[in-house]
Amino acid sequence: RKEVEQDPGPFNVPEGATVAFNCTYSNSASQSFFWYRQDCRKEPKLLMSVYSSGNEDGRFTAQLNRASQYISLLIRDSKLSDSATYLCVVYTGGFKTIFGAGTRLFVKA
Amino acid sequence: DAMVIQNPRYQVTQFGKPVTLSCSQTLNHNVMYWYQQKSSQAPKLLFHYYDKDFNNEADTPDNFQSRRPNTSFCFLDIRSPGLGDAAMYLCATSREPNQPQHFGDGTRLSIL
Repeated sequence: RKEVEQDPGPFNVPEGATVAFNCTYSNSASQSFFWYRQDCRKEPKLLMSVYSSGNEDGRFTAQLNRASQYISLLIRDSKLSDSATYLCVVYTGGFKTIFGAGTRLFVKA
Repeated sequence: DAMVIQNPRYQVTQFGKPVTLSCSQTLNHNVMYWYQQKSSQAPKLLFHYYDKDFNNEADTPDNFQSRRPNTSFCFLDIRSPGLGDAAMYLCATSREPNQPQHFGDGTRLSIL
């Protein structure tokens, strides 16, 4: 089992749709969680950190479920510019940060 | 303003010819990382530094070396590049290991 698993997609959604991604992690001692966005042939960029209480940034909402060991990302009112790969990132302690392989999202007009 | 700067953006080298990639940061972060990323894969950690303390991931090939002469700069040396080393090389920094990482634009390495 991979330490961080994501559905690779692609998710194909129309503009204005709501889309959600999940990411599961295997290490129950994992401490910090992040979502990054990566455009084709570009570097990953931090989208948001994920807190136990859940957090929202505009159209984006992140949730953490420690009991079931997953994090989620919800995107409301999808825009064409949201098309990208979304990477789930989990910090497990020491210097170990694990990246998921990403979920690809295509938003179509 | 770019805070993690990688040079060059694109590097073409010949099979077996040494190459050096550079990374600089203006964030004054303690930790610097080098990742290798191939198409449709997660970034793979090669090395990290906490200040001057160096850590080499267990599965990083011996062909890859790194230097951090000061807190602002870090280099990745590939001594004898093979075709399998063609990839995007990403430098990242974080203030502490548990905090978000900030990436440079990456260097795309091609091997002829």
